[in-house]
Amino acid sequence: AQTVTQSQPEMSVQEAETVTLSCTYDTSENNYYLFWYKQPPSRQMILVIRQEAYKQQNATENRFSVNFQKAAKSFSLKISDSQLGDTAMYFCAFIFIQGAQKLVFGQGTRLTINP
Amino acid sequence: DAGITQSPRHKVTETGTPVTLRCHQTENHRYMYWYRQDPGHGLRLIHYSYGVKDTDKGEVSDGYSVSRSKTEDFLLTLESATSSQTSVYFCAIRPDRPLRDEQFFGPGTRLTVL
Repeated sequence: AQTVTQSQPEMSVQEAETVTLSCTYDTSENNYYLFWYKQPPSRQMILVIRQEAYKQQNATENRFSVNFQKAAKSFSLKISDSQLGDTAMYFCAFIFIQGAQKLVFGQGTRLTINP
Repeated sequence: DAGITQSPRHKVTETGTPVTLRCHQTENHRYMYWYRQDPGHGLRLIHYSYGVKDTDKGEVSDGYSVSRSKTEDFLLTLESATSSQTSVYFCAIRPDRPLRDEQFFGPGTRLTVL
């Protein structure tokens, strides 16, 4: 079975700083995707970034980037120039490519950006 | 906007009563999912569907049933609600035209079982 672990329950940084959220996962599969979802106080789940396991290049979306280390089974999210609107819960998630594609989530990291 | 709505958005009920949550999508995608969110657990899959009348169990399916009689609607039923089912419930879809790998979520339903 696949598991996803986020070891940082809470983090807090000042506005404009860079912050990195950690995620590790465990799987015996070789073909999968990894995602980071953001959940602001509105409770809506918002996809931030995705990474295909077969791609060596780390994904980037504007201020958000990942450090994907397949051998170490590590998938961290870096937020550059953090903004107040980045305050949210962040969930790392794994999906196996074949079959019904059921998402497996980590426990979440609560990120607070302070003015 | 993936066109996903959930109803009701909030519900308070008593132990032992039946509860049905509805997920509605406007784009007729095949795959639909029900997750529950609890502190310290992230989101966990309850049931999913891959077409009309085609459903299967997820990680935490005990105490829940689902039905999908139309492509656009996926219903989650708690036959006899318990306090352990107090949670926030999310519906999600996986777009299949074009085929996508990520899932998009509805706004969630907060259920409280007293």
